[in-house]
Amino acid sequence: DIQMTQSPSTLSASVGDRVTITCRASQSISSWLAWYQQKPGKAPKLLIYKASSLESGVPSRFSGSGSGTEFTLTISSLQPDDFATYYCQQYNSYSPTFGPGTKVDIK
Amino acid sequence: EVQLVESGGGLVQPGRSLRLSCTASGFTFGDYAMSWVRQAPGKGLEWVGFIRSKAYGGTTEYAASVKGRFTISRDDSKSIAYLQMNSLKTEDTAVYYCTRFQTTGRGGGPLDYWGQGTLVTVSS
Repeated sequence: DIQMTQSPSTLSASVGDRVTITCRASQSISSWLAWYQQKPGKAPKLLIYKASSLESGVPSRFSGSGSGTEFTLTISSLQPDDFATYYCQQYNSYSPTFGPGTKVDIK
Repeated sequence: EVQLVESGGGLVQPGRSLRLSCTASGFTFGDYAMSWVRQAPGKGLEWVGFIRSKAYGGTTEYAASVKGRFTISRDDSKSIAYLQMNSLKTEDTAVYYCTRFQTTGRGGGPLDYWGQGTLVTVSS
């Protein structure tokens, strides 16, 4: 199975900050990567797919980049609604795997 | 509006069985592959398995951790996906989410809709 790692595991930031989360795959997954946002007690929400495509309805302050084994999720100007945990997910194979998550909390 | 509603969770003893249901609405259920993802308390997300649409044979894929114990099926006439869980272990305790693949029937790909989840607790 392809292993996914994320860094940092926790990130403290303020409203208005630019935030970057990194996701790495144990082998090349081309651009087959998605990002999800999860708030406590809620289901995850798809933000980005195919590494850089914005899901419909997701604010444009979210962006994704990368290919191969290294990917980033960037929030250009952090908003109060963005404090949550973010997961990457590879779907290069029919055995998808998620990263361990990055919690973005208030500084 | 797409909706996925899970049901069937609860407390079950180790070694016993439980069946979860996922009732879908707001889209042509039979055209899409459906997946189950779980999340143990305080932990991250773990893919459980998925079922392809009938157009792709209705075949299934499973995570190694549940293969041989869990079975996913579907009833397109009722727009319901099922997760049959046998020989349950304490480590199967989790919230189980029903999800839809964005990329229709073949499976694989991003998961664009999620249910609210149902808690399964395996304990004696």
